[in-house]
Amino acid sequence: DSGVTQTPKHLITATGQRVTLRCSPRSGDLSVYWYQQSLDQGLQFLIQYYNGEERAKGNILERFSAQQFPDLHSELNLSSLELGDSALYFCASGGGQSSYNSPLHFGNGTRLTVT
Amino acid sequence: AQSVAQPEDQVNVAEGNPLTVKCTYSVSGNPYLFWYVQYPNRGLQFLLKYITGDNLVKGSYGFEAEFNKSQTSFHLKKPSALVSDSALYFCAVRDTNAGKSTFGDGTTLTVKP
Repeated sequence: DSGVTQTPKHLITATGQRVTLRCSPRSGDLSVYWYQQSLDQGLQFLIQYYNGEERAKGNILERFSAQQFPDLHSELNLSSLELGDSALYFCASGGGQSSYNSPLHFGNGTRLTVT
Repeated sequence: AQSVAQPEDQVNVAEGNPLTVKCTYSVSGNPYLFWYVQYPNRGLQFLLKYITGDNLVKGSYGFEAEFNKSQTSFHLKKPSALVSDSALYFCAVRDTNAGKSTFGDGTTLTVKP
């Protein structure tokens, strides 16, 4: 068990809708990372938060947004959903800037299916 | 910009034979290198890392990896493969000055009995 909790495990929704994915990091970790895993594009980095502030941005669409709350849990909001957004969304947590040599700890992901 | 290449989408080996999963990287500074394994419907699990020091690092489940600075490679190895090693393997690099990890596209390892 990685200690990272993601909810829900599965999400099925229609095109044009909006969903929220939730992540609770491992106890003591300050950083949260969001990744998208699809069959044809591998593991794509979306965004990183560190102690409530955005730290790095990857290939995140404008229709997507995220935030990290004071209790360090994070939410990824996906809006105006398209069929191509169907993927597995992973949250990972880490210690922060002083621990870049430490591995990331991944949740089991949220599988999003857009119909 | 940092990048990782895993040149093989698929690696097939027979149980008991040695295995190698290849990884090359590109990074501006000194690299932190990681291997992760993913089983179906699960998140990635950390296997091993190279930070500094000995070029041969040992990790979980009998895996090891060899860091080669001149070839910018970090190949994953195991002397004797098990059927239970069948999974998707990811190599990742993290620049010492950056927060994000960049992952390769993954290599599916299949070990046949």
